[in-house]
Amino acid sequence: AQRVTQPEKLLSVFKGAPVELKCNYSYSGSPELFWYVQYSRQRLQLLLRHISRESIKGFTADLNKGETSFHLKKPFAQEEDSAMYYCALSPLITQGGSEKLVFGKGTKLTVNP
Amino acid sequence: KAGVTQTPRYLIKTRGQQVTLSCSPISGHRSVSWYQQTPGQGLQFLFEYFSETQRNKGNFPGRFSGRQFSNSRSEMNVSTLELGDSALYLCASSLGHRLRSSPLHFGNGTRLTVT
Repeated sequence: AQRVTQPEKLLSVFKGAPVELKCNYSYSGSPELFWYVQYSRQRLQLLLRHISRESIKGFTADLNKGETSFHLKKPFAQEEDSAMYYCALSPLITQGGSEKLVFGKGTKLTVNP
Repeated sequence: KAGVTQTPRYLIKTRGQQVTLSCSPISGHRSVSWYQQTPGQGLQFLFEYFSETQRNKGNFPGRFSGRQFSNSRSEMNVSTLELGDSALYLCASSLGHRLRSSPLHFGNGTRLTVT
């Protein structure tokens, strides 16, 4: 079974401090992993995906297959980073099927001034 | 470009009734997925439609169904509502059904309350 675990429901840091949002997954194959973000009163949106190896808004995430983790990091947090962050996994596509997302329960990040 | 539009935004129904939720995807997007969000279970996949065909289904009872029309608009239906069906129902669209190349774009959701 596929599962995504975000161990911290709440995370609070000060502006300018480094931030790391943890994500661990359980999946027997090689999944695709994503981070989604939901800012206050906005819709859920894609932040980044591991396949792109990109940095968005200063955030990066590295897939560690040995530790089955995909932690989200930013060296210097900003107040506008305060939001709900969801880690998600997409299992391998089944024949004739389509991909779905398995979400973690989310971490609410608060960046204090 | 207009985003994913879900109607209605809020619904209140009583147990035993049925409900239909609507989703208009971003223009040009052919895949529509539905997710249920509750405080206890978080975001859970319901089903996905691509070119009017259901391609994938989550672990929900048969009371939950959906369909997609030729213009890619989608509806989901829940029959014989139960209190536990109270949730935020999110619709998401994408160009294709390969998430690694076609990321999901979510709507604002429909908040369903069952009394």
